[in-house]
Amino acid sequence: DVKVTQSSRYLVKRTGEKVFLECVQDMDHENMFWYRQDPGLGLRLIYFSYDVKMKEKGDIPEGYSVSREKKERFSLILESASTNQTSMYLCASSLRASGARTQYFGPGTRLLVL
Amino acid sequence: AQKITQTQPGMFVQEKEAVTLDCTYDTSDPSYGLFWYKQPSSGEMIFLIYQGSYDQQNATEGRYSLNFQKARKSANLVISASQLGDSAMYFCAMRGNAGGTSYGKLTFGQGTILTVHP
Repeated sequence: DVKVTQSSRYLVKRTGEKVFLECVQDMDHENMFWYRQDPGLGLRLIYFSYDVKMKEKGDIPEGYSVSREKKERFSLILESASTNQTSMYLCASSLRASGARTQYFGPGTRLLVL
Repeated sequence: AQKITQTQPGMFVQEKEAVTLDCTYDTSDPSYGLFWYKQPSSGEMIFLIYQGSYDQQNATEGRYSLNFQKARKSANLVISASQLGDSAMYFCAMRGNAGGTSYGKLTFGQGTILTVHP
């Protein structure tokens, strides 16, 4: 069965802390994505990766960085957390093939920055 | 640039009735895909249905069907015979440039909260 896991379901951090959100997929997918979800705004793409060590900015990359050292793992890093980064973060993966019909999502991490 | 618009922040439906959730899109890509996802209160995103821009027939998956009107750029989700378990947030999404370098990125709408009453 398809599986995308995220390291934490709930996380509370303080302003200025460095935060790591980890995502692991076991489907040998080439593409991996990080989205944030905010009420009234839907999901917005932060960063994505199409191969190991490759990354591309999404629509809202400011304040975030990513790391993909292994194919199955994609990390989202908040270098210095701020209160406006309080949100739900969703990781997803998909096959590279253009005909890939869906992304598979992890359960999400609800991050609260105090 | 791609844009997805869901104009219904919330919808209510009686159990066993059908409901339509609206979605309009805008893209200049000749080839694209349209998706619907369900998000229950637990937070996980559940894939429901997919429609390719060149598909001749509207997609159906069990009680879900996608009313695809290409000229009007709409991709409404129809849920027949609603069940209490259908209460959730529903997102419409688009993947553009399917044959190019989009890498499968999705653009999402704002979402519609569906509440099914007994």
